[in-house]
Amino acid sequence: EAGVAQSPRYKIIEKRQSVAFWCNPISGHATLYWYQQILGQGPKLLIQFQNNGVVDDSQLPKDRFSAERLKGVDSTLKIQPAKLEDSAVYLCASSDRRTYELGITEAFFGQGTRLTVV
Amino acid sequence: AQTVTQSQPEMSVQEAETVTLSCTYDTSESDYYLFWYKQPPSRQMILVIRQEAYKQQNATENRFSVNFQKAAKSFSLKISDSQLGDAAMYFCAYRSPGGSQGNLIFGKGTKLSVKP
Repeated sequence: EAGVAQSPRYKIIEKRQSVAFWCNPISGHATLYWYQQILGQGPKLLIQFQNNGVVDDSQLPKDRFSAERLKGVDSTLKIQPAKLEDSAVYLCASSDRRTYELGITEAFFGQGTRLTVV
Repeated sequence: AQTVTQSQPEMSVQEAETVTLSCTYDTSESDYYLFWYKQPPSRQMILVIRQEAYKQQNATENRFSVNFQKAAKSFSLKISDSQLGDAAMYFCAYRSPGGSQGNLIFGKGTKLSVKP
């Protein structure tokens, strides 16, 4: 079974530029999450999708961050314009809704994108 | 809101020895899940072990076991017979049962070093 795919692995941009990250979840997983992990901290949820609908985006800085999940499969996370404090690893995860809610399975994570804003 | 605290930023253990990583959490919920995740330099979060709050028995997975103290809101991870491959960041995490509140809440992590 293929895992969660993310690209790019690394990205360096200047502040005020824009950047986009892509995530392809495990096939059949209805739930998709984007987490931000700042150096020295644990991951923090930015946004959660159920199919192509947003379930939770309460911690997403909506003035500069946006995310979409067209057709309920792939997702993109965009930052525009980027700030120095956006330097972090952006992790994507997915879960099977039914077995997750039953506590049978957990979320699976991709390898993340390390963003450096200079 | 739920919080997860890991008070040990770094830990070190000799190969083949045992080490315990600490985690405390705060919640008003009676039903929830607790996890330990391992994050190697590849950055991928790997699930090590999970515990359902309604289960009194402590979870074990091969060399990994937990000490779950629900009343004290404590959830420590014990790694026995430590191996060089165990070196990584370890994160304690909490989540409510499924649905829209089912996302993970992580602690700040503990960096584990294993000395040969």
